[in-house]
Amino acid sequence: EVQLAESGGGLVQPGGSLRLSCAASGFTFGGDWMHWVRQAPGKGLVWVSRINDDGTSTYYADFVKGRFTISRDNAKNTLYLQMSSLTAEDTAVYFCARGKPGYSDSWYDYWGQGIPVTVSS
Amino acid sequence: DIVMTQSPDSLAVSLGERATINCKSSQSVLYSSNNKDYLAWYQQKSGQPPKLLIYWASTRESGVPDRFSGSGSGTHFTLTISSLQAEDVAVYFCQQYVSAPQTFGQGTRVEI
Repeated sequence: EVQLAESGGGLVQPGGSLRLSCAASGFTFGGDWMHWVRQAPGKGLVWVSRINDDGTSTYYADFVKGRFTISRDNAKNTLYLQMSSLTAEDTAVYFCARGKPGYSDSWYDYWGQGIPVTVSS
Repeated sequence: DIVMTQSPDSLAVSLGERATINCKSSQSVLYSSNNKDYLAWYQQKSGQPPKLLIYWASTRESGVPDRFSGSGSGTHFTLTISSLQAEDVAVYFCQQYVSAPQTFGQGTRVEI
């Protein structure tokens, strides 16, 4: 059974940093593009970042470029999102999601449960 | 960025009746080299992550009931629930993946 489990969220002050993790199981993690998608309270879904299967190619939404870094450790079956210079606008539930193998842009067939991040003083 | 616009924002449908949700893209999501529409639909129930329903605009994901169907091409798409069930109460999102950044519609809330 495919499972994705996010961790590392919580309350952080404006300007602060946080690292999210997404532990994957039930599939060959090293074979798939992985993505982060976020959802602000009561709002819609917004794609944040993606990384290819071996971690050599990354892409970011403009609103996080230079502040967030996506990475992965295939030996640990874990995806990461390092977030810095956080603002209140980054407050959201963050989901990790699996893309279709071989496609940099695709639908997401599996999602984690999501982890809330709150940026507030 | 491609802007995805759904209509209506919400709708109330009686049990057993048809629900229709529309999604319009600001640019075509049809990829000419393979003649596929790069459009997906998701269902999100309260407090849960999104669940994939449809991809390639009309291909139902494994395990999704056949009362869910997708249609359309180019810039106009429709998700139809042929006979609404109580468990279908949710917010539905369309997503384009023809070009980065992938973008979603604002969502349509379906109620009984």
